[in-house]
Amino acid sequence: KQEVTQIPAALSVPEGENLVLNCSFTDSAIYNLQWFRQDPGKGLTSLLLIQSSQREQTSGRLNASLDKSSGRSTLYIAASQPGDSATYLCAVVADNNNDMRFGAGTRLTVKP
Amino acid sequence: DAGITQSPRHKVTETGTPVTLRCHQTENHRYMYWYRQDPGHGLRLIHYSYGVKDTDKGEVSDGYSVSRSKTEDFLLTLESATSSQTSVYFCAISRTFYEQYFGPGTRLTVT
Repeated sequence: KQEVTQIPAALSVPEGENLVLNCSFTDSAIYNLQWFRQDPGKGLTSLLLIQSSQREQTSGRLNASLDKSSGRSTLYIAASQPGDSATYLCAVVADNNNDMRFGAGTRLTVKP
Repeated sequence: DAGITQSPRHKVTETGTPVTLRCHQTENHRYMYWYRQDPGHGLRLIHYSYGVKDTDKGEVSDGYSVSRSKTEDFLLTLESATSSQTSVYFCAISRTFYEQYFGPGTRLTVT
């Protein structure tokens, strides 16, 4: 059974800092990996989706990498802003059973 | 929110009562999903649908049933609500299985 872990559970940084969020998964047979943002009391917004054949995806100040063999993904946020404060979740879709599994998320606070 | 609405947005109910949550989409997407989100667990799939009247169980389906009689509506029913079903419930939709769009969520409290 695929297990997805995100460490740390919470992170606080000063504005302007570059930061990395981590996601690890136990089964490397994945179809894709997706990073989401969740604001308090809201649904999930997709940030980046990486197919299993890709190594990274970029969108603006965000860069997500994928290392299937080691079961790891990172989300890099450059020049963080208070508006980046939210919970970030990663999710993996299995290669053989269409099953999407989520990590518990990292709650990010960017202080002005 | 990609044309997805959930109703109600908040509900408080008593143990043992039936509860139905509704997910409505305007995107004509084939797939619809129900998840629950609990602290420390992330989102867990309850049931999903791959077409009208076609549904399947997810990771945490016990105590829940679903129905989809129209493309746009996916209903989640708790036949007899328990306190362990207090959670935030999210509906999601997708054209293919692999990229899902989420609704705003329903906060359910079972007292």
